[in-house]
Amino acid sequence: NAGVTQTPKFRVLKTGQSMTLLCAQDMNHEYMYWYRQDPGMGLRLIHYSVGEGTTAKGEVPDGYNVSRLKKQNFLLGLESAAPSQTSVYFCASLGDNYEQYFGPGTRLTVT
Amino acid sequence: RKEVEQDPGPFNVPEGATVAFNCTYSNSASQSFFWYRQDCRKEPKLLMSVYSSGNEDGRFTAQLNRASQYISLLIRDSKLSDSATYLCVVPDDKIIFGKGTRLHILP
Repeated sequence: NAGVTQTPKFRVLKTGQSMTLLCAQDMNHEYMYWYRQDPGMGLRLIHYSVGEGTTAKGEVPDGYNVSRLKKQNFLLGLESAAPSQTSVYFCASLGDNYEQYFGPGTRLTVT
Repeated sequence: RKEVEQDPGPFNVPEGATVAFNCTYSNSASQSFFWYRQDCRKEPKLLMSVYSSGNEDGRFTAQLNRASQYISLLIRDSKLSDSATYLCVVPDDKIIFGKGTRLHILP
């Protein structure tokens, strides 16, 4: 099992550009999550999904959109990137005992 | 009151010492509790689950105090490799993390 994978690992965007971050899991988990983590800060929940075709807002959803068209994939989109979105983005899925499995993260810089 | 609160530290502890830190939570109906460890610039990884009877794994002990709504993590005989940020999680649909407690083990 690959577990949770994230693509890309690194990205530099200019202000106003758009991009999509891909999260994939091969554990057949229903729940998936997107977090961002800024230096010296904890994880903040952006959006989450409780199953294929469903999404919901987390703590800091503004400026992001998500889609869960397939159970194994959870996409995070930035339509018009801003410097405030410079961060490390982590995706996670939820196991049967409520334990989370995290991807390795995507480091995004917006200039 | 925030859903999950932790003392951010840092806790600077000499190698070999015992260290403990707590995490308070607001949802009295919560049934599951977890401690995660996060190394610098890495993803969080599950350290321990915390159930009603507590949990012990080697040098690590996690306990739950329902009356006061907090969980604790105790690390005995601390090692340099224990230096990390420790995150507590009290899951519901959203899975909100505490901000973490930074631990530095000093040689």
